Amino acid sequence: DTEVTQTPKHLVMGMTNKKSLKCEQHMGHRAMYWYKQKAKKPPELMFVYSYEKLSINESVPSRFSPECPNSSLLNLHLHALQPEDSALYLCASSPSGSGKFFGPGTRLTVL
Amino acid sequence: GQSLEQPSEVTAVEGAIVQINCTYQTSGFYGLSWYQQHDGGAPTFLSYNALDGLEETGRFSSFLSRSDSYGYLLLQELQMKDSASYFCAVRAGLFNKFYFGSGTKLNVKP
Repeated sequence: DTEVTQTPKHLVMGMTNKKSLKCEQHMGHRAMYWYKQKAKKPPELMFVYSYEKLSINESVPSRFSPECPNSSLLNLHLHALQPEDSALYLCASSPSGSGKFFGPGTRLTVL
Repeated sequence: GQSLEQPSEVTAVEGAIVQINCTYQTSGFYGLSWYQQHDGGAPTFLSYNALDGLEETGRFSSFLSRSDSYGYLLLQELQMKDSASYFCAVRAGLFNKFYFGSGTKLNVKP
């Protein structure tokens, strides 16, 4: 298996909802990432997990909460989001930092 | 801090060769990578250069000059499907992070 999968593909949620984004890879990569991407902008790093431990949090608001249950799975828990959080959320994994393999993303709309 | 510069848009015709440049200012540089992203899609990893020189993968080649803080992506025999945004990204800094450029939109015309 040489891909990163993400679910759901699309998500619409209200500002009071709680939802989770899921990411999975079976390439044995020990680094996993969450990125946020707005239209016509580059991806912005949110979180980095290295060997299942959170190593980087790019000052992301607490309404975003990452979780790494095991070496293949990465979740992003969402609560009380704002409309400006609407974006494409990308998960990525990397074997050694030389390059990242991105999942297809979850397109999130916050109403 | 880290900064990267790449052209915002490039237009070329099918069958031609195009070069997308990327200059960077970083501390603690490790390497330069390139990604392709079609509208509505996710970034796809194209190449990574840690050492000076040219890396070739099919129609795509990537070059790095560490002394000039400069790299480029070369696309040969352009095809319509190559129309996409191309991002350079440097791996740098104390925490070995990736920093993306703002992206170059490549338009391939018949």
